[in-house]
Amino acid sequence: NAGVMQNPRHLVRRRGQEARLRCSPMKGHSHVYWYRQLPEEGLKFMVYLQKENIIDESGMPKERFSAEFPKEGPSILRIQQVVRGDSAAYFCASSPPGGERYQPQHFGDGTRLSIL
Amino acid sequence: AQSVTQPDIHITVSEGASLELRCNYSYGATPYLFWYVQSPGQGLQLLLKYFSGDTLVQGIKGFEAEFKRSQSSFNLRKPSVHWSDAAEYFCAVGALNSGYSTLTFGKGTMLLVSP
Repeated sequence: NAGVMQNPRHLVRRRGQEARLRCSPMKGHSHVYWYRQLPEEGLKFMVYLQKENIIDESGMPKERFSAEFPKEGPSILRIQQVVRGDSAAYFCASSPPGGERYQPQHFGDGTRLSIL
Repeated sequence: AQSVTQPDIHITVSEGASLELRCNYSYGATPYLFWYVQSPGQGLQLLLKYFSGDTLVQGIKGFEAEFKRSQSSFNLRKPSVHWSDAAEYFCAVGALNSGYSTLTFGKGTMLLVSP
C-alpha cells in the first residue's frame, strides 16, 4: 500500500534553470497539496489541486511557480528560472475527498532542492 | 487567519525523562489540531490528531496531547523519552474550507535526547 511518492528526492539546479518536482498521491486520493519548508522554518502551504483543477493557490509565489495535476500522471510543481532563495524542501501531501468532513493529509518524503 | 506558535526552538531531554512540547494556536472556530514528527531528511509522520470529543488524545509511539481551549494550547507529552525520539516536532492547525483543508504549521521544536 504505497504512500505518497515524490521524486526526485534531491534535485540540484543552477540559477536560471527550471526545476520540476513530481508527486504521486496515495491510491484513492484525489486531493494534492504542495508545501515548502525553508531552512529552520515550518512548512508553508503553497497550492491545493484536484484532478485538472487548481483550487487554491493562495500560497504560491506569483511569478515563476506553477503547479498542475493532470488527468493522468503525477502532480507537477514547476519552478522556472530558479534563484538561490528557492532552495528548500518541497513536500507533497494527499488526501481523499472529504466533502464537509476533515480528511487528514498524508505526506511524502519531500524533494530537497538546492540551487547553485 | 490561523497561526501556530511553538515557543521552544530546541529542547534537550535526558533519556528516560518526561517530555512536554508546547504549542499555542490561533483560530476562529473549533480547530483541527495535529502533531507531526520529522526525522532528518525524511517526510512528516502524523503522531496524533484532535478533531473533537475527548480533549486528551493518544497517538503513536507513546505520545499524547491535551487540547485546552481556554489556553489555546495543544501540548505534546511523553512520560519517558527514548533516544529514537530525537527529531523535529511540528504542531499544526487545520482549517476546513469548502470541501478541502489546509494546514498551518508552527516553526517546529527540535528535540535532542541526551544519554
